[in-house]
Amino acid sequence: EIVMTQSPATLSVSPGERTTLSCRASQSVARNLAWYQQKPGQAPRLLIYGASTRATGIPARFSGSGSGTEFTLTISSLQSEDFAVYYCQQYNQWLRGTFGQGTKVEI
Amino acid sequence: EVQLLESGGGLGQPGGSLRLSCAASGFTFSSSAMSWVRQAPGKGLEWLSSINGDTTYYADSVKARFTISRDNSKNTLFLQLDSLRAEDTAFYYCAKGAWGSIVLDSWGQGTLVTVSS
Repeated sequence: EIVMTQSPATLSVSPGERTTLSCRASQSVARNLAWYQQKPGQAPRLLIYGASTRATGIPARFSGSGSGTEFTLTISSLQSEDFAVYYCQQYNQWLRGTFGQGTKVEI
Repeated sequence: EVQLLESGGGLGQPGGSLRLSCAASGFTFSSSAMSWVRQAPGKGLEWLSSINGDTTYYADSVKARFTISRDNSKNTLFLQLDSLRAEDTAFYYCAKGAWGSIVLDSWGQGTLVTVSS
């Protein structure tokens, strides 16, 4: 099983700041990596797939990069609505997927 | 508009069973890969199972106890939960995969399963 590890667990930032979240895979997943955002009491929302492609309707301040085992999600200028938990997910094994443990972005 | 509505959650007994349903609309259900993901209270996301056509996939943690299925005539996805354990207590989400994959582009709001005697 591919293990996904996210860091840090919690990120304290201020609105307007640039922030970077990391995700590491225990073995190469090529670019088969997605990012999701989850706000309290809500279902997750797809942000990024293919490591760097924004999903429909996702603002350009969200960007993803990486390949193989190292990936990052960058929020260029944090807005108040971006405070949430972010999860990475590998889908290199086609219909088997594993999530990271999440990074909470808080004020 | 894609809509996914889970039901069937509630209180289950240790060792007992529950059957979750997910009613889908707004897309071609029969040709879509579908998945179940759960989230224990205050914890992260855990992928459980996916189905594409008649092919099923399971996380090792639930492979022997949970069964995914679908009824394309009713646009409904199911997850049969057997041999329930306390650690199965969680919100259970159904989600639609994009392009027949496990990139989950639409999610339901979840149904809560509580396992307790």
